[in-house]
Order: sequence, then structure tokens, then C-alpha cells
Amino acid sequence: KAGVTQTPRYLIKTRGQQVTLSCSPISGHRSVSWYQQTPGQGLQFLFEYFSETQRNKGNFPGRFSGRQFSNSRSEMNVSTLELGDSALYLCASSLDPTGLEAFFGQGTRLTVV
Amino acid sequence: TQLLEQSPQFLSIQEGENLTVYCNSSSVFSSLQWYRQEPGEGPVLLVTVVTGGEVKKLKRLTFQFGDARKDSSLHITAAQPGDTGLYLCFRASGTYKYIFGTGTRLKVLA
Repeated sequence: KAGVTQTPRYLIKTRGQQVTLSCSPISGHRSVSWYQQTPGQGLQFLFEYFSETQRNKGNFPGRFSGRQFSNSRSEMNVSTLELGDSALYLCASSLDPTGLEAFFGQGTRLTVV
Repeated sequence: TQLLEQSPQFLSIQEGENLTVYCNSSSVFSSLQWYRQEPGEGPVLLVTVVTGGEVKKLKRLTFQFGDARKDSSLHITAAQPGDTGLYLCFRASGTYKYIFGTGTRLKVLA
């Protein structure tokens, strides 16, 4: 059974640009959540999607957005990139929002220069 | 903000030593997960605990869920260099979910 797949693994962008990251959950999992990991702030929740609907959102500015497709794949978008957006972005999948377990992808390392 | 406080924050020990990492919250968990993360990689699930007082073993790792379901511990027996990494507790369900612990960075020296 394939795990959670995130693409791309590494990305370098310039300040002011926008970026789109992709996450394919485990087959059969319908809930996808996104996290930002930085050395200073640790792992912070961005948002969760289930059945193409955003169910929960963390405390991040509106420049961070996401969506989920009918096949449960999810994308997150960051517009007007800032240097502080440099981080490891992780997504996790679970069966549904009530699922007890979440499984993480390897992450996308975003560097903003 | 409902935090998951982990202690200690950093731990550097010699191979063969034992250690315990703690995860505490002011609110009750419905379930808790422990992960280990290596640099540049995503967290890898070690265990999920659900029942108060539950003890689970994974080779040399022993996980305990507090009776009141507000705390958990991870004990490693005879640590090895391969145990080096960032250990994270995570609330995956219930109220205040999607919260990670503050993390314990473990280094095991050969």
C-alpha cells in the first residue's frame, strides 16, 4: 500500500512569487491535513480538508490556502512568498476527520530567497 | 492554545543507557500518537494510544498513556545510535486536535 506522496520534495522560490504544493493521500483516506515545520515554531497546523471541504484552519494568514479534489488529492498554495515562509511543509492523511491515526508524507522543503 | 509540553527538550546519552520522554497536556486526550522524525523527512508513526492506563511495547520502546489521559511517556531501553531523532507526541483526534508536542531531540552517542 503506497504511503502519502508529496511533490515536489524541494523547491526554491523568490520573494513575492507564489507556490503550489501537492499531496496524494493513502488510498482510501479521505482526510488530508497540512503542517508547517520551522526550527523556531516547530510543527504548526495549517488546515484540514475532507470531502473537498476545508474543515479546520490554523492561525496562518490568508496567503496560505488549499483545496482538495474529488480523488482526495490536496494542494496548498502560498502567494506573495516571504522569507519566513521557508519551511518543511508536511501533509498527513487519515481515513476521515474522526480517524485516530494520521500518516505523514516526507514533506516539501521550500526555500524562499 | 492547548499545548502539548514535552520534556526534556534535548537529550544526549551514551549507547546502552535508558531514557524517558514525557508529553503533558492540561486537557484530556481522546487519543495520542508518538512519532520519530529524522532531519529532512516526515514524521514516522511509532504508536497510537487510546485507553487510559494503556501500555504498548515496540521492541525496546515502551509507551504509556496516563490513567487520566492527560499525559503520556515514551521509555527507551538500551538506547542505540539508530534511536537518534526528534520525538514528537501528537493529538490526532478529539478537541484541540492537530497539535504537536514541543518535541524532544534525542542524540545517542556510540
